Amino acid sequence: ETGVTQSPTHLIKTRGQQVTLRCSSQSGHNTVSWYQQALGQGPQFIFQYYREEENGRGNFPPRFSGLQFPNYSSELNVNALELDDSALYLCASSFIAGGPNEQFFGPGTRLTVL
Amino acid sequence: QKEVEQDPGPLSVPEGAIVSLNCTYSNSAFQYFMWYRQYSRKGPELLMYTYSSGNKEDGRFTAQVDKSSKYISLFIRDSQPSDSATYLCAMSANSGGYNKLIFGAGTRLAVHP
Repeated sequence: ETGVTQSPTHLIKTRGQQVTLRCSSQSGHNTVSWYQQALGQGPQFIFQYYREEENGRGNFPPRFSGLQFPNYSSELNVNALELDDSALYLCASSFIAGGPNEQFFGPGTRLTVL
Repeated sequence: QKEVEQDPGPLSVPEGAIVSLNCTYSNSAFQYFMWYRQYSRKGPELLMYTYSSGNKEDGRFTAQVDKSSKYISLFIRDSQPSDSATYLCAMSANSGGYNKLIFGAGTRLAVHP
């Protein structure tokens, strides 16, 4: 069974640029959630994708957007990067979107915005 | 006030000690309760998953949920240096067909030989 994978591992961007982060879900999982974890804090929910559509969103501006593909992999796109976007971005996959579901996390992508 | 409160520590204990980690929460709609372990610069690893109130045991780990007090705990018996990590509590409610996890800030644990 393959776990959740993310790429790239690290990324350095400058303010105003755009970034795309990628996630492959665990085998058999059809739901992907994205979280942002600032240093010393717990992860914060950005949004969730199920059946290629966003079906839930946290308190993040529209410049955070995503995609889910037919193979359940996903992308997180962030436009007009700000210094505060520097964080560890985590992808989590689960078997179903609602109800009881265990979410399994990938290793994360560490984004630094200069 | 945050929805989930967790003491950030750090908590330092000798090897073999019993460790108690706790979280409190304010949202009575939470039904699912989780504990994750996160090593430095890694993603969170799911340790325990509990639905509603009660206890759950898995090896050296015991999770307790008291919904009446809005309080959850994780106990680690016979702690090992390899248990040194940040422990995150997380909770969710079944809301509109999706589950977002609400995390505490995490407690840093150091187990010294």
